[in-house]
Amino acid sequence: KQEVTQIPAALSVPEGENLVLNCSFTDSAIYNLQWFRQDPGKGLTSLLLIQSSQREQTSGRLNASLDKSSGRSTLYIAASQPGDSATYLCAGGMNTGFQKLVFGTGTRLLVSP
Amino acid sequence: GAGVSQSPSNKVTEKGKDVELRCDPISGHTALYWYRQSLGQGLEFLIYFQGNSAPDKSGLPSDRFSAERTGGSVSTLTIQRTQQEDSAVYLCASAGRLAAGELFFGEGSRLTVL
Repeated sequence: KQEVTQIPAALSVPEGENLVLNCSFTDSAIYNLQWFRQDPGKGLTSLLLIQSSQREQTSGRLNASLDKSSGRSTLYIAASQPGDSATYLCAGGMNTGFQKLVFGTGTRLLVSP
Repeated sequence: GAGVSQSPSNKVTEKGKDVELRCDPISGHTALYWYRQSLGQGLEFLIYFQGNSAPDKSGLPSDRFSAERTGGSVSTLTIQRTQQEDSAVYLCASAGRLAAGELFFGEGSRLTVL
């Protein structure tokens, strides 16, 4: 059974810092890895999707990596801004005949001005 | 539509009542998912629809929960005889035809059972 863990559960940093959010998973037969952002009271916004054949994806100040052999993914946020404050969720895609996502419990990020 | 639309955004009901939650996926998306997000917990898979295939209901927590998808588009999640532990945010997501496609979520329906 796939289990996804995110560390730390919460993170508070001053504006401008580069930071790394960690995601680990137990089943290396992962199909893909997706990072989401969730603002309070809102739904999930997809940030990056890494296929199992890929090692990383980049979008603007965000870079996500995937290492299947070690069961880890990281989300790197460069030059953090207060607007980056949100909960970040990673989800492992398992090909169980369909794209079934197994979610971590998230990292709550606060970026202070 | 431009994104996944869910209604109602908030629903307060009394224990024992039935509720219906609606999801309108992105136009052209064949895959539709329902997830549940309880306070302090991760997202829990409930049910998956793909085109005209039989849905995967393996995540539904009890027989009080059911869902249907009419015409391959709009989906309704029904909870009968609601219990307080059903209180959560119910999130719908849709994806394109590709098996490894990106999921796009709606803003959710927050259900509170008194």
